[in-house]
Amino acid sequence: DTAVSQTPKYLVTQMGNDKSIKCEQNLGHDTMYWYKQDSKKFLKIMFSYNNKELIINETVPNRFSPKSPDKAHLNLHINSLELGDSAVYFCASSQDWNNEQFFGPGTRLTVL
Amino acid sequence: AQSVTQLGSHVSVSEGALVLLRCNYSSSVPPYLFWYVQYPNQGLQLLLKYTSAATLVKGINGFEAEFKKSETSFHLTKPSAHMSDAAEYFCAVSRGIQGAQKLVFGQGTRLTINP
Repeated sequence: DTAVSQTPKYLVTQMGNDKSIKCEQNLGHDTMYWYKQDSKKFLKIMFSYNNKELIINETVPNRFSPKSPDKAHLNLHINSLELGDSAVYFCASSQDWNNEQFFGPGTRLTVL
Repeated sequence: AQSVTQLGSHVSVSEGALVLLRCNYSSSVPPYLFWYVQYPNQGLQLLLKYTSAATLVKGINGFEAEFKKSETSFHLTKPSAHMSDAAEYFCAVSRGIQGAQKLVFGQGTRLTINP
């Protein structure tokens, strides 16, 4: 069984469009995260939710809006996509703050 | 603020040789440190973690790392490289924020294994 899953795996879209990436975890964890990995493989946290409450909100354009309908899901909606948004986006989850994070397989977003 | 520096963006070793990937951290509080591995087109997987217990930490796939406070280092080693070890390796430092874990990653080190 997949622990952390993301859909879609690949997303190709035009500049200016709005798109969403979905994430689900079946580990029963309380906390979920979104990361962005750029073309140089650098990973940076974007958001974190704990029990559906936004805990970490890094310096991210407000075109990015996370939504957590329940503890097992954390979706990422992106408005007015720009070329610089092209990256691989990873979802992750953890039980608490000092344990490992489990990562999804990633969503490769390409903005044309 | 916490930060991590990985020395060497690319390391190449021969199969069977020692693997050494370097990581130095900066943290104003006792750090929790992690090594993650990323195989091509996959997500990250935990190799090992240091959480203020034993300074020598053993992980999966024969990897280990030693926490050295005096050197602010957490280098990753493996005595004998295998072809399957070829991947991107990330060192990270973390701190807790209201139940969440903020991981700050290094730049990553790509490990290549030569036959």
